[in-house]
Amino acid sequence: AQTVTQSQPEMSVQEAETVTLSCTYDTSESDYYLFWYKQPPSRQMILVIRQEAYKQQNATENRFSVNFQKAAKSFSLKISDSQLGDAAMYFCAYRIFYNTDKLIFGTGTRLQVFP
Amino acid sequence: DGGITQSPKYLFRKEGQNVTLSCEQNLNHDAMYWYRQDPGQGLRLIYYSQIVNDFQKGDIAEGYSVSREKKESFPLTVTSAQKNPTAFYLCASSIQDRAQETQYFGPGTRLLVL
Repeated sequence: AQTVTQSQPEMSVQEAETVTLSCTYDTSESDYYLFWYKQPPSRQMILVIRQEAYKQQNATENRFSVNFQKAAKSFSLKISDSQLGDAAMYFCAYRIFYNTDKLIFGTGTRLQVFP
Repeated sequence: DGGITQSPKYLFRKEGQNVTLSCEQNLNHDAMYWYRQDPGQGLRLIYYSQIVNDFQKGDIAEGYSVSREKKESFPLTVTSAQKNPTAFYLCASSIQDRAQETQYFGPGTRLLVL
């Protein structure tokens, strides 16, 4: 069964510092996509970053970057120069496409940012 | 502005009542999805549709029904058979192109049982 595990229910970071959120997943597929979504108090899910499994290069979006280790099935999110607006729930998700089309989500990590 | 809209923002259901949640998108996306979010959990797929007049069950379809008569619209009905409907419901859409596999989400509907 495909699963996504986020082992850190809560994390905290000081403004301007760097924090890394962990995510591991389990799959037998070779072609898939990985995502990090942010859910602020408004509860709308906002895409932070995505990674195609066939690409070796780690994705980067401004202050957000990932460390994708395909063999280890690990997909961590690094937030650099943390800002107060980064405080939110962060969900790691894995998308499968063959036979069914869905995102499989982890249980989320709540990130607090302190001034 | 292009985007996904969901209505209402809050919905109250009486026991034995069916209620319908609206989801509309003007992104010209082919695929649409309904997810349910419970406290302390990630999202779980209820139903999805990759093309008009066709849809498939997700992991927790029991007690729910959908229709896809138009590309822009994918309403979700929570029937009286759903015994624990209190949750946050999120609609999403995506382009069915392997180069663009991102699902974009609407603002959600919170359903509460009276």
